[in-house]
Amino acid sequence: EPEVTQTPSHQVTQMGQEVILRCVPISNHLYFYWYRQILGQKVEFLVSFYNNEISEKSEIFDDQFSVERPDGSNFTLKIRSTKLEDSAMYFCASRGQGSTFGSGTRLTVV
Amino acid sequence: QKEVEQNSGPLSVPEGAIASLNCTYSDRGSQSFFWYRQYSGKSPELIMFIYSNGDKEDGRFTAQLNKASQYVSLLIRDSQPSDSATYLCAAENFGNEKLTFGTGTRLTIIP
Repeated sequence: EPEVTQTPSHQVTQMGQEVILRCVPISNHLYFYWYRQILGQKVEFLVSFYNNEISEKSEIFDDQFSVERPDGSNFTLKIRSTKLEDSAMYFCASRGQGSTFGSGTRLTVV
Repeated sequence: QKEVEQNSGPLSVPEGAIASLNCTYSDRGSQSFFWYRQYSGKSPELIMFIYSNGDKEDGRFTAQLNKASQYVSLLIRDSQPSDSATYLCAAENFGNEKLTFGTGTRLTIIP
């Protein structure tokens, strides 16, 4: 069964550092997403991406965040200057009949 | 503010019984509804989706949608210990494919 692949599974970074989270969506899907889940809280939408551009973003997705599809397969989320409150699980998803989620990247900002 | 509400539980159900999970949503523009299962420390896994009023069955799972009452439910028949997880309800508006999630209901199946 096709799956969404995310790397790394766990990233520890110092406050103020830049991080890039990587995703390979399912190949024939057209919509891609980033969500995050702070420990013990609900899954929150960050950004959706369609036709090589952002289609929608949430209030969380401020100027510190960016997304890119640098080639035909990868989809990345960059956080320019991480804050302690950015610590969360970050999930990439791609949309077929319903969204399929990757296994997530646990980001810990220290 | 578009909200999806779920009872956080925990909900305990004996093995073999029917588990009933409920969800309400505030935005009448929501068109499609999704149930995800999330094991602790893992990612959400799609179980079912529904967009028409009524029932939709898939194996041991039945999703129910009542748009007039803004209510969605998931029934799990013949509950198994492996069904123990947090169940997330999510809503999607037409033309806007992002998901708005509830907080999830933690389900425990008691052997």
